[in-house]
Amino acid sequence: DAGVTQSPTHLIKTRGQQVTLRCSPKSGHDTVSWYQQALGQGPQFIFQYYEEEERQRGNFPDRFSGHQFPNYSSELNVNALLLGDSALYLCASSFRGAGNQPQHFGDGTRLSIL
Amino acid sequence: GNSVTQMEGPVTLSEEAFLTINCTYTATGYPSLFWYVQYPGEGLQLLLKATKADDKGSNKGFEATYRKETTSFHLEKGSVQVSDSAVYFCALSDWLTGNQFYFGTGTSLTVIP
Repeated sequence: DAGVTQSPTHLIKTRGQQVTLRCSPKSGHDTVSWYQQALGQGPQFIFQYYEEEERQRGNFPDRFSGHQFPNYSSELNVNALLLGDSALYLCASSFRGAGNQPQHFGDGTRLSIL
Repeated sequence: GNSVTQMEGPVTLSEEAFLTINCTYTATGYPSLFWYVQYPGEGLQLLLKATKADDKGSNKGFEATYRKETTSFHLEKGSVQVSDSAVYFCALSDWLTGNQFYFGTGTSLTVIP
């Protein structure tokens, strides 16, 4: 049973570019959340997708956008990259109908902005 | 609002020592509480959870009790091993705010032989 998978593992971009990160949730999960983890910090919630719609959003600018597909996989897009966007981006999945259940995390995409 | 405050690290212990990592929280509703562990270069793995007051979560020798009166969820282990070296995150999730997770800043633990 595959867990949460993310791609790519590492990515290097320059300021002003755009990036797309991908996530496949754990089998049986229908909800995907994205987090940004800066070095030495805890993950910060970006947004959550369920039924192909953004259901919740954290305190992140509109440069951060996402999408969920019918198979529950998801993409995170970041436009006009800034140096401060350098971080580990984590995808987490869960089953919405299960109440306050743990989220299962992927290994993340390490994004470096030059 | 919701937030988690964790004891700052890093923490260095000798093998077989007793571990406590403090965690306190602020929540508007009725949160569930979690401890996650992150090994170098990896994502977060669920270590244990508690969904209501006085619940005790336990796994792999780690324990934490949900204390509503002190708004705490401290992580403990009686005898740490070198393999426990990792970063530990306390987190809360509140069903009333849509199951969004709020994390502490993490506590780095190094266990030396």
